[in-house]
Amino acid sequence: QLQLQESGPGLVKPSETLSLTCTVSGGSISSSSYYWGWIRQPPGKGLEWIGSIYYSGSTYYNPSLKSRVTISVDTSKNQFSLKLSSVTAADTAVYYCARQSQGYDILTGYQNNWFDPWGQGTLVTVSS
Amino acid sequence: QSVLTQPPSVSAAPGQKVTISCSGSSSNIGNNYVSWYQQLPGTAPKLLIYDNNKRPSGIPDRFSGSKSGTSATLGITGLQTGDEADYYCGTWDSSLSGVVFGGGTKLTVL
Repeated sequence: QLQLQESGPGLVKPSETLSLTCTVSGGSISSSSYYWGWIRQPPGKGLEWIGSIYYSGSTYYNPSLKSRVTISVDTSKNQFSLKLSSVTAADTAVYYCARQSQGYDILTGYQNNWFDPWGQGTLVTVSS
Repeated sequence: QSVLTQPPSVSAAPGQKVTISCSGSSSNIGNNYVSWYQQLPGTAPKLLIYDNNKRPSGIPDRFSGSKSGTSATLGITGLQTGDEADYYCGTWDSSLSGVVFGGGTKLTVL
C-alpha cells in the first residue's frame, strides 16, 4: 500500500525559504505512470495546487507561485521536495504531498488528472 | 477566488440524497475530466471520483459523479452522519496549464 509522509520545519520566518520533503513508501517514485504533487491548504480555506514533478525531474508549477517554487526529486531516496522562497504569513498552510495520475485521452482530447493517495499533511506557520 | 465555483454549504437529512455542483469554463471542466475529494474534519483529502464518474476501489456506490458542459456534479445517496465533510472538485485548466480546485462545499447531515 503506497504511503506518503511530509516532513520539515513547522515554523519558518518571513522572507526565508520553506523546505519540505515527501517520502514515498510501499512503491517506487520512479514509476512511469505517475507524477508527484504538492498541494496546500491555508487554515479554514480551500485547496491550492503548488506544483508537480515527474521522476525524470520534469516539473510544472502553479503560475501564481512559479517565481518562488522549486520542486525536485531524489529517486535514490524515493523522495521529492518542495522549496518556497520569500515566504510571508500568506504562505501559512497545511502542505500535502500526493501521487498524481495524469494523462491525455486521445479519443476525447481531454486531460485527466487526480491525486491519490495523499500524505497526512504538515502545518507550516510563517512567523517571526 | 477559486477558478471552479462550488456552493459553500449544503445540508440534508440522514438517508436522503444530496448533490454538490462545481461550475467552471471551457478551459477547465468543459474540456477536461473532473475529480472529487472528501476531506473529513482534521484529515487529508481522499479521492472519491476521477474521470468525471469513476470510483476508486473501496468507494461505495452511494457516491457518484457526472458532468455536463462546463459543470460537474457530485451525488451522495443514503446520507450518513459520517459523510459530514468538506468536498472539493478539481480538474486541469488548459489556459493556466495547471490543476485547479473548487473552493469546497461543507456537507452537513442534519
